[in-house]
Amino acid sequence: QQQVKQSPQSLIVQKGGISIINCAYENTAFDYFPWYQQFPGKGPALLIAIRPDVSEKKEGRFTISFNKSAKQFSLHIMDSQPGDSATYFCAGSFTGGGNKLTFGTGTQLKVEL
Amino acid sequence: GAVVSQHPSWVICKSGTSVKIECRSLDFQATTMFWYRQFPKQSLMLMATSNEGSKATYEQGVEKDKFLINHASLTLSTLTVTSAHPEDSSFYICSARGISGLGYNEQFFGPGTRLTVL
Repeated sequence: QQQVKQSPQSLIVQKGGISIINCAYENTAFDYFPWYQQFPGKGPALLIAIRPDVSEKKEGRFTISFNKSAKQFSLHIMDSQPGDSATYFCAGSFTGGGNKLTFGTGTQLKVEL
Repeated sequence: GAVVSQHPSWVICKSGTSVKIECRSLDFQATTMFWYRQFPKQSLMLMATSNEGSKATYEQGVEKDKFLINHASLTLSTLTVTSAHPEDSSFYICSARGISGLGYNEQFFGPGTRLTVL
C-alpha cells in the first residue's frame, strides 16, 4: 500500500482555536479521502470525507480542504473544544482497490481550556 | 444506522491458547469486512479482507494460518488468533463495508477488541 503521510504527530490547541492537520498521498488512483476520529480504547469513527472532484467540504466545525494537484488534503477544526481531544487519522482509498483504506500515521490532538 | 459490534470487547488469555473475535453488522448486510490491528499510539494496519462465502485475502506479512478468518454470513465475520503469544497482544478492530448516507461505499468500524496474551 502506498503511504499517506500525516502531520503533525501531535497538536495542542487552546479552546476556541483552529486545529489544522495535514495529509499528503502518493496514489493518484485514490478517489475517496475520509477523516476518522478515535478516542482511547474505541474504534475510529468517520468524521468527514471528500472526493477529489471538490476542493472543500464543510460539515459543522469540520472542513476538509483538498488540493488535487499537490496531492494534499487537510482537516480544519474550527472553535476547537476539549471534547475534540482525540486521535485523528486521514485515509485514502480507491474503488478499484476494493475500497481498502490506507491510513495516515495519526495526529493526537489536545484542546486545552 | 450502520452499526458494527465486536465481541468480546476485551480478552485475556494464556500463551498457546486460541481466541475468537466476532464482528457483526447489526443493521445492514456486509459482503465485505476488514480486520485491522492497532498497536498503542500507532495507526491501523489492515490485516485482511473478509468476503462472505469465500476465502479471506491477507495483506503481505500476515500469517493466514495464525489469523483465521471466517465470513460465514452477510452479518458476521470472525477472527481467530491461533496459538496466541504475547506479541499478538494488540487492539483488533473490524469494519464492515456498507453504503453511506450519500450513497458511497463506506467502512463502518466496530468498537475494537483488546487482546492481552499472558
